[in-house]
Amino acid sequence: DQQVKQNSPSLSVQEGRISILNCDYTNSMFDYFLWYKKYPAEGPTFLISISSIKDKNEDGRFTVFLNKSAKHLSLHIVPSQPGDSAVYFCAAKRGGSQGNLIFGKGTKLSVKP
Amino acid sequence: SQTIHQWPATLVQPVGSPLSLECTVEGTSNPNLYWYRQAAGRGLQLLFYSVGIGQISSEVPQNLSASRPQDRQFILSSKKLLLSDSGFYLCAWSVTGTGEFFGPGTRLTVL
Repeated sequence: DQQVKQNSPSLSVQEGRISILNCDYTNSMFDYFLWYKKYPAEGPTFLISISSIKDKNEDGRFTVFLNKSAKHLSLHIVPSQPGDSAVYFCAAKRGGSQGNLIFGKGTKLSVKP
Repeated sequence: SQTIHQWPATLVQPVGSPLSLECTVEGTSNPNLYWYRQAAGRGLQLLFYSVGIGQISSEVPQNLSASRPQDRQFILSSKKLLLSDSGFYLCAWSVTGTGEFFGPGTRLTVL
């Protein structure tokens, strides 16, 4: 049973436009959510996170929105740049420091010049 | 600052051969350590995690094992590799209140 779902395996966006990556989860006990960016043959890099007590967190071009009632979060990248092309993983955890991250399967973002 | 090292970067092994992947973390004490695998077309699968020396929890039953002989050293092993063990293996660390920080990964191909 997949607790964290990224239903879009790929997304293509024009440079300068907004990229919206979506993630759904099923476990209402999750209290911390993260987004990772991964280039081929490299380890994932932490991008941005949000606690369940918030509904929005912003860091430069990256904003994460959390809708707890819908069990849905999204990552917005504005404006998108070709260097943003990568696989983006959504992850969730519960239980503070002892909780382990549960990852989605990832969405491959392609930003075209 | 904290850094995490993994080696080797790539590995090609025959079926039935043993495996040893090593991971070390610098710049932090008593981290939680993790081994993940990313197989072709799949997300990141947690294999093992450790909250301290000698403490290993297995998430997925398989022919792999993990050990933590020192605080900042985590080793992934197998006595006999299977074709299905091919994948990209990632070591990660975390401390209280953070998400996981990943190493550069090891690409394992079992032939």
